[in-house]
Amino acid sequence: QVQLVQSGAEVKKPGASVKVSCKASGYTFTGYYIHWVRQAPGQGLEWMGRINPNSSGSSCAQKFQGRVTMTRDTSTSTAYMELSSLRSDDTAVYYCARHINYSFDYWGQGTLVTVSS
Amino acid sequence: QSALTQPPSASGSPGQSVTISCTGTSSDVGGYVYVSWYQQYPGKAPKLMIYEVTKRPSGVPDRFSGSKSGNTASLTVSGLQAEDEANYYCTSYAAGNNWVFGGGTKLTVL
Repeated sequence: QVQLVQSGAEVKKPGASVKVSCKASGYTFTGYYIHWVRQAPGQGLEWMGRINPNSSGSSCAQKFQGRVTMTRDTSTSTAYMELSSLRSDDTAVYYCARHINYSFDYWGQGTLVTVSS
Repeated sequence: QSALTQPPSASGSPGQSVTISCTGTSSDVGGYVYVSWYQQYPGKAPKLMIYEVTKRPSGVPDRFSGSKSGNTASLTVSGLQAEDEANYYCTSYAAGNNWVFGGGTKLTVL
């Protein structure tokens, strides 16, 4: 069965970087884009960007350009999202999701990133 | 890219129908047939309920249906059940390889 398993919770100081992983199983990793979506406490969902695991090509929302880096390791079927220059308003649950038909059919369990001094 | 507009809350009694709207622009909702809807329980990951405006993934009850008119998409839940109480989010593909979410609607079953 399709599964996306994310790395554990992180606590970071302002200005630091965080790297979240998303390990895929149960399907051909290179056959589907992986998207990253975040959710601040008590808030809605926010699309961050996507990566093509086959080509490694990526794109992100304008808001995150210059701060987010998406990579992948095909040998371990793992996608990564690194967010730099962290601020307190980056505190959120970060999700990876598999893309199909312009929607997201499988989601990771979420990774809580807390930014606090 | 601005977020899509959803009502913050909606409610209905068991057995009734409720419709949640999702308003965007011609650059997102109105320009593509790529609107999807997600159900999210507190503390859980979202679940895909509707994709490409009207299509239901396998396993989603046919009580859930989607539609679109112009720049506004809608999710209708018929025959409301207690388990339908959750937050619902719409999203749309947008010009320039972007995706945009709605602010979310909390559905309460009275």
